[in-house]
Amino acid sequence: TQLLEQSPQFLSIQEGENLTVYCNSSSVFSSLQWYRQEPGEGPVLLVTVVTGGEVKKLKRLTFQFGDARKDSSLHITAAQPGDTGLYLCAGGTRSNDYKLSFGAGTTVTVRA
Amino acid sequence: NAGVMQNPRHLVRRRGQEARLRCSPMKGHSHVYWYRQLPEEGLKFMVYLQKENIIDESGMPKERFSAEFPKEGPSILRIQQVVRGDSAAYFCASSPGQGEETEAFFGQGTRLTVV
Repeated sequence: TQLLEQSPQFLSIQEGENLTVYCNSSSVFSSLQWYRQEPGEGPVLLVTVVTGGEVKKLKRLTFQFGDARKDSSLHITAAQPGDTGLYLCAGGTRSNDYKLSFGAGTTVTVRA
Repeated sequence: NAGVMQNPRHLVRRRGQEARLRCSPMKGHSHVYWYRQLPEEGLKFMVYLQKENIIDESGMPKERFSAEFPKEGPSILRIQQVVRGDSAAYFCASSPGQGEETEAFFGQGTRLTVV
């Protein structure tokens, strides 16, 4: 079983502040995805990272994949209320028939 | 260019009845995953299927739950003799199953309420 641990579990910040969410594992992943889920909806894919050390930017969101491909972080700059949601990381390995393993998620609340 | 389609969106069943949840993957995707989500919790893996094959059902309860992904038609998650503890959101995801990435795309889920 590949365990993905996300931290913190809950995060509440004021609009305009920055935040970072972490996703850690003792396992190596071929790729790692970040999703955002809003209440009553399914998770929506934000980004996929596949190369150790890779950094991807999506507007105010910056995603980083660790050099050893065991961990990842999501940084949001100048958070807005629209960033509120449950952020999930998921890792997959080709050696495991492409099965995805999910973290428990970080609930982010951005107050106006 | 439809995404992953799940139906119904909401399902109410009385204790002891059967629940059937359907999932049509994205076009070209041959891998389907089912996940369960309880309120305020993350996604818990249930089963991973490829066309006509169950690859990993390690997250499925041993009794009352079954899943299939036939050659034709949607994937079905079936819960027999439902109990209150089965109330949850059930999400289906699909992936192409090829290439470097294993990224999956989710449906909007089926919210099962057992009364």
